[in-house]
Amino acid sequence: AQKVTQAQTEISVVEKEDVTLDCVYETRDTTYYLFWYKQPPSGELVFLIRRNSFDEQNEISGRYSWNFQKSTSSFNFTITASQVVDSAVYFCALKVSGGYNKLIFGAGTRLAVHP
Amino acid sequence: GAGVSQTPSNKVTEKGKYVELRCDPISGHTALYWYRQSLGQGPEFLIYFQGTGAADDSGLPNDRFFAVRPEGSVSTLKIQRTERGDSAVYLCASSTDQSSYNEQFFGPGTRLTVL
Repeated sequence: AQKVTQAQTEISVVEKEDVTLDCVYETRDTTYYLFWYKQPPSGELVFLIRRNSFDEQNEISGRYSWNFQKSTSSFNFTITASQVVDSAVYFCALKVSGGYNKLIFGAGTRLAVHP
Repeated sequence: GAGVSQTPSNKVTEKGKYVELRCDPISGHTALYWYRQSLGQGPEFLIYFQGTGAADDSGLPNDRFFAVRPEGSVSTLKIQRTERGDSAVYLCASSTDQSSYNEQFFGPGTRLTVL
């Protein structure tokens, strides 16, 4: 069975603080893909990043960075120097290969960045 | 270009009524997905279309739920004899094809309230 766990329900930080959102996944498949989506108050899910199971290189995009570690089945997301506009619900999701195209989402982490 | 659009944005109905929710995917996207998001939860997969056919409907909760995509573009999610537990945001997503690698682009959702 596949599962995604985001243990942090809500995180509150002050602007300019760094914050890490945790994601732990479970799957027995060897080929899979991991995603992060952002859901701002407007409600529309916005794609942030995709990684495949064979690429453990960390990735940095501006203030965003992602740490993928297969040994701990984790795919954590760090926002450096957070801004108020980062306030949203962030979802981690898993998709396994082999014809099953559904995304399996975690419950999400609500991030509130205060001025 | 235009993103995924969904209509209506809000739908209020009474218990026992029939509703139809519409999704217009990104032009050229052959894969289309429906998800349901309850308050405080991540989206849950309902059904996936590749072209006109439902390739995976394993997420439909029961036979009151049905979806069609007759011409391989617009899709309609149909719910018969609505129940209060059907209240949620129904999200539609599309992707370029059925490849597991491709990210899904989400619409703004239809908020369904069953009184």
